Amino acid sequence: GDSVTQMEGPVTLSEEAFLTINCTYTATGYPSLFWYVQYPGEGLQLLLKATKADDKGSNKGFEATYRKETTSFHLEKGSVQVSDSAVYFCALSEGQAGTALIFGKGTTLSVSS
Amino acid sequence: GAVVSQHPSWVICKSGTSVKIECRSLDFQATTMFWYRQFPKQSLMLMATSNEGSKATYEQGVEKDKFLINHASLTLSTLTVTSAHPEDSSFYICSARVRSNYGYTFGSGTRLTVV
Repeated sequence: GDSVTQMEGPVTLSEEAFLTINCTYTATGYPSLFWYVQYPGEGLQLLLKATKADDKGSNKGFEATYRKETTSFHLEKGSVQVSDSAVYFCALSEGQAGTALIFGKGTTLSVSS
Repeated sequence: GAVVSQHPSWVICKSGTSVKIECRSLDFQATTMFWYRQFPKQSLMLMATSNEGSKATYEQGVEKDKFLINHASLTLSTLTVTSAHPEDSSFYICSARVRSNYGYTFGSGTRLTVV
């Protein structure tokens, strides 16, 4: 079945450092790919998404490119802030109506000043 | 737009009692609602998928008699944890598919503690 694998955390960075969180997927079809962020004690917020190969999703300085050839959707940010500290989830959806998101295990990011 | 309101945000209950969690779609019709469970420092595990007006579909290993899901209208889905026990303590999150942009929106989650 479909699955998402993301790098183990926690990731600890200093403010203004470059961030990469790796995400790879396995899917039978052509899924849509998502990154969600979860702040402590809260639900999930959509960070960005891409629906087809070579699409680049971007939001709040974060970017991820849908790479079909490597089945990857790595999250990057050029300069992280303390406020970016959260748990980041990579997820996929096959797109059919009624299909739930499949999540990776999540990566905790901690940014210090 | 596409907001799902989830209540309560946290609840503490005694072992053996039941707890109801509500998710309302405020500005759209949620034909399908997904219910997830999240243990500390772990990912979201899909518990069940509910479609308005029909019985929910439960994932393997989820007790349907313990986790009762009702989706009687296009704007309300509920999860009732029956005869709760300490091992049911967890973070429960609902999610709905938003057709307009093929995305998903999430409730803010409910922290359930059973004592």
